[in-house]
Amino acid sequence: EAGVTQFPSHSVIEKGQTVTLRCDPISGHDNLYWYRRVMGKEIKFLLHFVKESKQDESGMPNNRFLAERTGGTYSTLKVQPAELEDSGVYFCASSQGTSGGHPYNEQFFGPGTRLTVL
Amino acid sequence: LAKTTQPISMDSYEGQEVNITCSHNNIATNDYITWYQQFPSQGPRFIIQGYKTKVTNEVASLFIPADRKSSTLSLPRVSLSDTAVYYCLVGLANAGGTSYGKLTFGQGTILTVHP
Repeated sequence: EAGVTQFPSHSVIEKGQTVTLRCDPISGHDNLYWYRRVMGKEIKFLLHFVKESKQDESGMPNNRFLAERTGGTYSTLKVQPAELEDSGVYFCASSQGTSGGHPYNEQFFGPGTRLTVL
Repeated sequence: LAKTTQPISMDSYEGQEVNITCSHNNIATNDYITWYQQFPSQGPRFIIQGYKTKVTNEVASLFIPADRKSSTLSLPRVSLSDTAVYYCLVGLANAGGTSYGKLTFGQGTILTVHP
């Protein structure tokens, strides 16, 4: 079974440009999450989709970030316009919905997209 | 959310057992304790989860004392490939006993295994 995939693996853009990151979750996973790690900091939660709906977007830093998950499959995270402090690694994760029977819903992470804003 | 405290780094040698302890004094009744592992250039990966006492799987063991204010991840006979960052997370369960929400990562413990 394919894991969580993210595209691109690396992106280098200039300040003020727009970048769109893509995440393909594991097939059948209703939950999709975005996290990021900026230099020297901890991995921080950005937002959580349940299917196509935003369940929790409390971690989104500002309105320059826009996440979508049309159709409840893949998700995109757009940064517009990008700023220097947006540099970091953006992780996507997915987990199953209510099936599974396990009290904790294990999240499966992708390899991340390394974003560098110059 | 319960705050966790774990050593910043640890060193070990191949074949040794490694124990990483995490403190979580403010753990809530419904909270589970979960450990993730992260290799360089990869996303975190679930290792093990427990609520109390001892849990063992093919990768590790998790020891949780009765007061649940701490937990210890035990890696038996580590190899060079176990070099990674290990994260202890708590606060993942809601009132219903299940949670599909966000993970809260701390700094983690950088484990370096030497030949």
